Amino acid sequence: DSGVTQTPKHLITATGQRVTLRCSPRSGDLSVYWYQQSLDQGLQFLIQYYNGEERAKGNILERFSAQQFPDLHSELNLSSLELGDSALYFCASSPRQGREETQYFGPGTRLLVL
Amino acid sequence: GENVEQHPSTLSVQEGDSAVIKCTYSDSASNYFPWYKQELGKRPQLIIDIRSNVGEKKDQRIAVTLNKTAKHFSLHITETQPEDSAVYFCAASGRNRDDKIIFGKGTRLHILP
Repeated sequence: DSGVTQTPKHLITATGQRVTLRCSPRSGDLSVYWYQQSLDQGLQFLIQYYNGEERAKGNILERFSAQQFPDLHSELNLSSLELGDSALYFCASSPRQGREETQYFGPGTRLLVL
Repeated sequence: GENVEQHPSTLSVQEGDSAVIKCTYSDSASNYFPWYKQELGKRPQLIIDIRSNVGEKKDQRIAVTLNKTAKHFSLHITETQPEDSAVYFCAASGRNRDDKIIFGKGTRLHILP
């Protein structure tokens, strides 16, 4: 157990819908990262937050947004969902800004868009 | 832009033999290189990492080597066991203002009985 929690574990929804994925970092960690992993694919970096502020952006679609709250938990919002958004979404956390730090991954949220 | 290439994409080795996975990176400022193992349906977990001030690091059956001049690093697993079957990801992180870490596309390792 890495100490990073994610809810829900599984999510099934329909195209065009909107969902929110939640992540709680390890106690004391200030950075949260979001990744998308499609079937048999690598880890696609989406976005990073550090202490409430957006720090780095990857290949995140405009339909997706995220935020980190004062208590450091983070939410990833996915809207106007498409079939291709079906994937495993991981969040990870690290103590500081993460340049040379281990990232600890949560168990992931498996999203299925029908 | 930054890029991490990982080879091979799939690797099958007999139980007890060694496995080697290689990665190259493009950003010469990169100075931290972690390796993650992801078992089927589970989260990626760090198994070993190396920083640019050392050329090799070993932890039991796992070792990582780094060649900064050639900008490549490798994961070596000796005396492979069935539980080593998983997907392995290399990654590189640099000193850039942008803090993101760049992952390779992964290597699916099969340990054959």
